[in-house]
Amino acid sequence: AQSVSQHNHHVILSEAASLELGCNYSYGGTVNLFWYVQYPGQHLQLLLKYFSGDPLVKGIKGFEAEFIKSKFSFNLRKPSVQWSDTAEYFCAVYTGNQFYFGTGTSLTVIP
Amino acid sequence: DTEVTQTPKHLVMGMTNKKSLKCEQHMGHRAMYWYKQKAKKPPELMFVYSYEKLSINESVPSRFSPECPNSSLLNLHLHALQPEDSALYLCASSPTAQPEDEQFFGPGTRLTVL
Repeated sequence: AQSVSQHNHHVILSEAASLELGCNYSYGGTVNLFWYVQYPGQHLQLLLKYFSGDPLVKGIKGFEAEFIKSKFSFNLRKPSVQWSDTAEYFCAVYTGNQFYFGTGTSLTVIP
Repeated sequence: DTEVTQTPKHLVMGMTNKKSLKCEQHMGHRAMYWYKQKAKKPPELMFVYSYEKLSINESVPSRFSPECPNSSLLNLHLHALQPEDSALYLCASSPTAQPEDEQFFGPGTRLTVL
């Protein structure tokens, strides 16, 4: 069965530290990839998405993600996190007829 | 209006009750979704409506019955639920059901089945 793995369940960083959250999926066909964020008390919202073209995708709030097809990965990065980035981050994959979310990574940024 | 609204925010029901969850959007979106999210788990897709027609039903038990009365509204009718159905139920909408369309999520209804 297809799945989406986020190996980091809880990440704690100090402000200005660099961030990389891992996302791996298991599906051999064409995929569309997403990162969603859920700030405390708020709705899920889209950070960025990849469909085709440049595998390095830039999203809102300084986030970016790189699609590495050979590694079935779509890791999320930010060079310098802020306290306001504290949130739950979900990777998601669309396989053509199914939409799967990863288990989520809780990020806490310490001022 | 760029919001997806859901009512009620919280719902407690017994296993013999019948209740409904409501979702509304006024963004002109033609695709609407129901997800179920258990604690510390990712959202799981339940149903997709595209142009008011059910296009995806992810093998959801019949005690959950979706309804899309018009392009702005999506209901989820609940009957004879089990305690394990307790979860956060999320509604989302997107311009179409194409995967490249961003899904806009509502705040969810927190359901507790006693």
